[in-house]
Order: sequence, then C-alpha cells, then structure tokens
Amino acid sequence: AQSVSQHNHHVILSEAASLELGCNYSYGGTVNLFWYVQYPGQHLQLLLKYFSGDPLVKGIKGFEAEFIKSKFSFNLRKPSVQWSDTAEYFCAVNARGGGADGLTFGKGTHLIIQP
Amino acid sequence: DTAVSQTPKYLVTQMGNDKSIKCEQNLGHDTMYWYKQDSKKFLKIMFSYNNKELIINETVPNRFSPKSPDKAHLNLHINSLELGDSAVYFCASSHKDREQYFGPGTRLTVT
Repeated sequence: AQSVSQHNHHVILSEAASLELGCNYSYGGTVNLFWYVQYPGQHLQLLLKYFSGDPLVKGIKGFEAEFIKSKFSFNLRKPSVQWSDTAEYFCAVNARGGGADGLTFGKGTHLIIQP
Repeated sequence: DTAVSQTPKYLVTQMGNDKSIKCEQNLGHDTMYWYKQDSKKFLKIMFSYNNKELIINETVPNRFSPKSPDKAHLNLHINSLELGDSAVYFCASSHKDREQYFGPGTRLTVT
C-alpha cells in the first residue's frame, strides 16, 4: 500500500513570496503523482500530474512540481504566490496500472497568503 | 455541463436513519470512486468501482454500500447513520489510473 507525507501542515506567506510544499511518498512500485487544490468551500481541482517522462511538470495557475525518484519526492513550487492561492493543497499518488485503485492522499497543507 | 455532479449538496439527518447520495459523471470514464473528508480535511478512499471490480477500503463499515446502476452513476447508500459519519463525501471519476475529477461534495451532518 502507498503512503504520502506532506511536511508542512500550515504555511503562511506574503504575496509575491516563493512557495515550495514538500511531498514524499512510500511505495514499492511505480506510481502516478498528483497535486490537487481545494479552495475554501469548494471541491478538489487538479493542479498538475506526473505519469512518466520529463520529471518537471507544469500545471495550472503557474504551479510546477518536480519528481525526484531517488528521493521519492514530488514537491510543489510557485515562484510568486498571490492572495488567491490561499487554499488547501493535497499531494496524492496511485499505483500505475493499478486499475480501479483510489488515490492515497497526504494530510494536506493549509496555505494562507497575506496581502 | 458539470463533469461530476452530486446530490444533495447538504444532508442533515438523525442517527439511525438510512440515506443515499447520488453521483453522476458525464466524462465517459470507466472508474468511479467515493472519498470521505473528515473535519481535519483528511481525504480517504472508501470505494473504487469499474464495470469489472469493486474495491472496498477495509476500514469502511459495511453500513456503507455503493450501487452502480450504470457506468455513469455510482450512488452511496448509508444505513443506520452514526454521529461519526458526519463528514464531506466526494465522488470522483477517472479513466483507469489517470487523473481523477471530483464532484462538488456532499456535506453530511448526523444529529
């Protein structure tokens, strides 16, 4: 079974600051990796995904993430955050080729951007 | 044009009642899921279902059961509701192990 660890549970930044949220996973096989965002009172939206190929993936709203296989990590980054980025961020994995397999989520990072 | 829809959005009910939450996806996906998000925002898979197999998270009480009338629908039935069932329940769908698209959620409150 997979497990996902997000290191920062609460992060507070000022607008224009750079962001990096850590995510590590544990699994013996090959995984697909995802970052989802949940704005207050809303459902989860996909920010970006990694299946294979270039380990640096770009997503929506200026976010990117880098898959480092040797470190089992998939950290999320954004060079300059905005107030509207205030949300809950979830890292998730599933087993590649796992069929009807659900996502295993990290516990989330609550990000607050101060104007 | 909603991709994954759920009804109702809010559900308030008393302990011991039986309730259902409906989910529909119009994305043509072959796999659907139910997740539970607790008060600390932690998301946990409850069920995964495609037309060939149902995968049940072993920690889910058997009071919870998914019902799929067709590939576009996966409804969640809950019997004998308990206080601890209060949470937000999200439906999702995907094509095999690809990215999942989530519904708007159903906030269940058991009193």
